[in-house]
Amino acid sequence: GAVVSQHPSWVICKSGTSVKIECRSLDFQATTMFWYRQFPKQSLMLMATSNEGSKATYEQGVEKDKFLINHASLTLSTLTVTSAHPEDSSFYICSANDRGRGTTYEQYFGPGTRLTVT
Amino acid sequence: QKEVEQDPGPLSVPEGAIVSLNCTYSNSAFQYFMWYRQYSRKGPELLMYTYSSGNKEDGRFTAQVDKSSKYISLFIRDSQPSDSATYLCGLGGGNQFYFGTGTSLTVIP
Repeated sequence: GAVVSQHPSWVICKSGTSVKIECRSLDFQATTMFWYRQFPKQSLMLMATSNEGSKATYEQGVEKDKFLINHASLTLSTLTVTSAHPEDSSFYICSANDRGRGTTYEQYFGPGTRLTVT
Repeated sequence: QKEVEQDPGPLSVPEGAIVSLNCTYSNSAFQYFMWYRQYSRKGPELLMYTYSSGNKEDGRFTAQVDKSSKYISLFIRDSQPSDSATYLCGLGGGNQFYFGTGTSLTVIP
């Protein structure tokens, strides 16, 4: 149980285009979903926290107009990187809490999406 | 002072060794302690989860929490090459959650 999927696993896009990444909780309903960014050999950097049906809470320094987060249902959250630039190239990982068990702090991670902007 | 401190390593051990991974923290509100394993280019995987103080064992893995010292540990017995990964601690409490920076572990056959 507690499986989280992400799609796509790898995407290459041209500078100036937008890319949407999906995060789904497959076998549970997620109270909250989180979006992280990770550069090579560095730790996870929390970008934003989203609750179903409400606006995402962004961490300081993360541009909300550039990284659009939509949490449309208890099993789906999307991150759209708008007008992508090469510096947005990174590994994006989502995680989710299982509202049916555990605590607010137990997070289950997706496999990540590698974004390369050319 | 950082909320969570974790030695990034890298840590390299021979196969079969006992590995000790640690995190220290400063916030006494933390009550939930987790260890994640992350293989290269993959998402983190929840390994161990402990509430409050004490030990928890799962196979070759033991998690220890010492709240008086604000110190948590993950021990790996009989380490295997497949244990080579980055290990992150995660601490939660008081509506806050933090990850350590991760320790890179390599187990040499």
